[in-house]
Amino acid sequence: QVQLQESGPVLVKPSETLSLTCTVSNGSLSGTHWSWFRQPPGKGLEWIGYIYFTGSTNYNPSLKSRVTISVDTSRNQFSLSLTSVSAADTAVYYCARRGHYDNYFDYWGQGTLGTVSS
Amino acid sequence: DIQVTQSPSSLAASVGDRVTITCRASQSISRYLNWYQHKPGQAPKLLIYAASTLQGGVPSRFSGSGSGTDFILTITSLQPEDFAIYYCQQSYTTPLAFGGGTRVEIK
Repeated sequence: QVQLQESGPVLVKPSETLSLTCTVSNGSLSGTHWSWFRQPPGKGLEWIGYIYFTGSTNYNPSLKSRVTISVDTSRNQFSLSLTSVSAADTAVYYCARRGHYDNYFDYWGQGTLGTVSS
Repeated sequence: DIQVTQSPSSLAASVGDRVTITCRASQSISRYLNWYQHKPGQAPKLLIYAASTLQGGVPSRFSGSGSGTDFILTITSLQPEDFAIYYCQQSYTTPLAFGGGTRVEIK
């Protein structure tokens, strides 16, 4: 079955850029959307945005000015870039695959903790 | 933006109990409501989509109902592996939004 795995630096300094990559195994990026979520410590889940395999994107307006999601079909990966980070961006970041019929998400990565600290 | 509110925020139940969790949307979302189970250190798991459609491989003790603004997740005969946090998520429109979660604990 499809597997997703997040990777990237776990510690980022304030005002710098958090960059994460999601590698998809046992499946192709083609034909669906791929999304990023996050969960700050002790809080609920927040949708960051998603990208279609062709490259079109949809971002949460609350983060839109700082977020870029990109896709690399040759590597079967998609990536998240979050600029000008602060402590409020410390969270577990998850990548996930959109389901066939709607904006629900049927496969998720295990998540990676991104910490913002000097 | 559509807000989603879950209740209760936590509950304690025993193995074999029937558990119900409620999700309310700030406006009508038809049946665009999904439920997830989340255990610490694990990936969230899709249980139900489109309010009542069981995701493949999910036990039939899980069921969902509702439409419009009010939705319910029911677990009949709670099992030890069901102790987790449950989230609802509206997919009617972006920005997609989750409820605050319901922690199901062992009584």
